[in-house]
Amino acid sequence: GESVGLHLPTLSVQEGDNSIINCAYSNSASDYFIWYKQESGKGPQFIIDIRSNMDKRQGQRVTVLLNKTVKHLSLQIAATQPGDSAVYFCAETNFNKFYFGSGTKLNVKP
Amino acid sequence: EADIYQTPRYLVIGTGKKITLECSQTMGHDKMYWYQQDPGMELHLIHYSYGVNSTEKGDLSSESTVSRIRTEHFPLTLESARPSHTSQYLCASSEWEFYNEQFFGPGTRLTVL
Repeated sequence: GESVGLHLPTLSVQEGDNSIINCAYSNSASDYFIWYKQESGKGPQFIIDIRSNMDKRQGQRVTVLLNKTVKHLSLQIAATQPGDSAVYFCAETNFNKFYFGSGTKLNVKP
Repeated sequence: EADIYQTPRYLVIGTGKKITLECSQTMGHDKMYWYQQDPGMELHLIHYSYGVNSTEKGDLSSESTVSRIRTEHFPLTLESARPSHTSQYLCASSEWEFYNEQFFGPGTRLTVL
């Protein structure tokens, strides 16, 4: 199967600081790379995605960067808030299937 | 808030029982998916569907079966539950065109004793 791996299983940041969550992927044929947020007891929630022909995409307080040369994906969260505390997953898809990484837990310290 | 529902949310049953996990969505999405997730771990795709009467197996081998008789409904059945089936099961759906954006249900946490 495909391999989508995450660095740093746990990340602790101070409230108000920026957070960066990283992910490595292995399938160059994926169409989209996606970030999900999963809070305790809930299903994953779509945050932002990036098409494979792009290298940067910005949303509200979030930015996703795609480096196809080294097969690396990152999620940047600006001015991290307590409500951002959750597990973050990266995923890749080629229409038929989705492949998920193992998740990074983000702890936001007040 | 996504309109995708799963029941039950929690289920504790004995070995050998037959169970069906329900998943319904009201968004009219053609594509639906079932994932298995152990605590803190990645999601593994076990079944997916392109639409009515379409079912496909995912990458993770599973003893479960699914059906898709109606667009909005995608139930998962285990004929004979075993302790190795203990896990969280997540249902998701997406539009055909915007397949990159999946909407997930809240999950069913299954414990088989």
